[in-house]
Amino acid sequence: ETGVTQTPRHLVMGMTNKKSLKCEQHLGHNAMYWYKQSAKKPLELMFVYNFKEQTENNSVPSRFSPECPNSSHLFLHLHTLQPEDSALYLCASSRSGTGSTEAFFGQGTRLTVV
Amino acid sequence: DQQVKQNSPSLRVQEGRISILNCDYTNSMFDYFLWYKKYPAEGPTFLISISSIKDKNEDGRFTVFLNKSAKHLSLHIVPSQPGDSAVYFCAATSTSGTYKYIFGTGTRLKVLA
Repeated sequence: ETGVTQTPRHLVMGMTNKKSLKCEQHLGHNAMYWYKQSAKKPLELMFVYNFKEQTENNSVPSRFSPECPNSSHLFLHLHTLQPEDSALYLCASSRSGTGSTEAFFGQGTRLTVV
Repeated sequence: DQQVKQNSPSLRVQEGRISILNCDYTNSMFDYFLWYKKYPAEGPTFLISISSIKDKNEDGRFTVFLNKSAKHLSLHIVPSQPGDSAVYFCAATSTSGTYKYIFGTGTRLKVLA
């Protein structure tokens, strides 16, 4: 248990569906992240939020839409995805501000687009 | 352009011996480095980290070495145990800007009993 919880753990969706991934952290952190892990690729940073403000969008297609209503919750809204979007989506959180700190990850959501 | 590289996709080590996992980076702005361990179907778990002001950090069986001039770091596991079998990711970030953790592709470690 890392203090970062992701739901659902598994998701199968059609290309015309709309779904959302949820992430919640109980660590008092102020920074939250979405990463994508595809087979044989490094973890790809998608979005970063600091104090609810988006500070990084790593050229992610608009069919992925993040939302951060508060420092404890992060969503990733999905619509009209492609089969190549099938991957493990990981949420993480960390302390924000200065100083060295590590990111804590959730268990991930295994997404399959059919 | 991959800023963090792990050139060995896999490593097999006998139980009780030393495991050495390597990582190279290209961005001079990185000043904090981390190692994560990942089991299948789970998220990465933080293992150990090192700041650029140090060249070594030790935590039990795990030691991370940093060579800033070579932009290289390594993780040593001594002695290796079968439970250490997992994928190990190296990550780097710059603590002076937006916190972005950049990851390598991972090295799959198999410790043989």
